[in-house]
Amino acid sequence: EVQLVESGGGLVQPGGSLRVSCIASGFTFSDHYIDWVRQAPGKGLEWIGRIRNKVNKYTTEYAASVKGRFSMSRDDSKNSVYLQMNSLKTEDTAVYYCASPYIEPWGQGILVTVSS
Amino acid sequence: DIQMTQSPSSLSASVGDRVTITCRASQDASIYLAWFQQRPGKAPRSLIYAASSLQSGVPSKFSGSGSGTDFTLTINNLQPEDFAIYYCQQYNTYPLTFGGGTRVDIK
Repeated sequence: EVQLVESGGGLVQPGGSLRVSCIASGFTFSDHYIDWVRQAPGKGLEWIGRIRNKVNKYTTEYAASVKGRFSMSRDDSKNSVYLQMNSLKTEDTAVYYCASPYIEPWGQGILVTVSS
Repeated sequence: DIQMTQSPSSLSASVGDRVTITCRASQDASIYLAWFQQRPGKAPRSLIYAASSLQSGVPSKFSGSGSGTDFTLTINNLQPEDFAIYYCQQYNTYPLTFGGGTRVDIK
C-alpha cells in the first residue's frame, strides 16, 4: 500500500524556521520525484517545489514565493524527503502536502501556522 | 509563469448530470496537464494526467481532453461523492501552476 506521511508541522513565529518531513512507503521511493504543495486556509493549491531523483542528481525547483527561504532534501536510505522552511512569514500558513507525480495517494497534509 | 484559468469557478448540478470544466493556459502547456479532485477536508486526488490519461483506479466516468492551451474535464453521471473541488495543473514548465479550482456542488 502506497503511503506518504508528513510530520513536523506546528506553530512558529514570523521569521522562524521549521522542518517538515515526509516518509514514503509502498513504492520505489528512490526512483521518484517528490513535490511539495501547500494550501492556505480556504484557498486553492499552490505548488512550491520539487526534488528530483538520484539519476537527476537530486536537483530542485522552487516557486518564486519560497525560493531562497525554503529548501528540499531527501534521504533515499530512509525513504524520506524534507522541507526546510526559513524566514517564515504569516502568509506561509498552510497545510503542506507531499506528493509524487503519478503516485497515489498524496500525503494527508500537515498544518504549519506562522503567527506571533 | 503559465497562468491557469478555470471556468466556471463554481457550478451546481444534480445527481446523474454530466458536467464539463474548462482550463485555459496562458501559454502552450502541450499535453502536460493534470486534473485533481479535492473533497472537503481531504488531500487532493489525481484523476487525469497527460491531459487525457486516467490515473489508475479512477472510474471511467472521468475523462479529459485538450492540448496546447485549452483543456476540459468531463464527469458523467454525477454521484454524491463527486461533489468536490476540481483543479487543473500544468507541468510543462516550471514553476508548475494550478488553476483556481472549480467547486461542484449539489443543485
